[in-house]
Amino acid sequence: DTAVSQTPKYLVTQMGNDKSIKCEQNLGHDTMYWYKQDSKKFLKIMFSYNNKELIINETVPNRFSPKSPDKAHLNLHINSLELGDSAVYFCASSQARMNTEAFFGQGTRLTVV
Amino acid sequence: GQQVMQIPQYQHVQEGEDFTTYCNSSTTLSNIQWYKQRPGGHPVFLIQLVKSGEVKKQKRLTFQFGEAKKNSSLHITATQTTDVGTYFCAGRSRGGSYIPTFGRGTSLIVHP
Repeated sequence: DTAVSQTPKYLVTQMGNDKSIKCEQNLGHDTMYWYKQDSKKFLKIMFSYNNKELIINETVPNRFSPKSPDKAHLNLHINSLELGDSAVYFCASSQARMNTEAFFGQGTRLTVV
Repeated sequence: GQQVMQIPQYQHVQEGEDFTTYCNSSTTLSNIQWYKQRPGGHPVFLIQLVKSGEVKKQKRLTFQFGEAKKNSSLHITATQTTDVGTYFCAGRSRGGSYIPTFGRGTSLIVHP
């Protein structure tokens, strides 16, 4: 039973398109995150949602919009895709406390052509 | 803001050699976590260190947290091909956000 699941696993799309990536966690965590991992493996946090409220947004272009219908889901919508958006996107979740670990989804490899 | 630096970026070793990756923070940390990401996989939590000078072991892996709680290291003794992957440290600043800041990771390549 997967703890953090995201779909799709692979996404190939053309520049200018709009796409969404879905994420769900069944761990009962109250915080969910989106990370972008570039080709050099750098994990950059994009968003964090706590109890359905956005609490951090690390200078991400406004073409990216997180949507959380409930605390078990955090979807990522991307408008007007650009070549530079190609990366692996990871969803993660944790409890909103200092001494808790993050659980990551399997990742979505986005390729913009 | 908080920065977490990790070195080296890559490390090639022969199977059986030891490996160490180092993590340094610009601020005092509340705790530090280590994650491993296998090729094509996702980061998986390994361990958390909380106390100043703490040392923890997991089989061939030894994790240390500095006395000043600003640096940490992961040492693998006698590497095996199953150790291949990218190791990340992630720190939380004392008095700061609970959202961890990840280092850039160290990719370990083990040659048989």
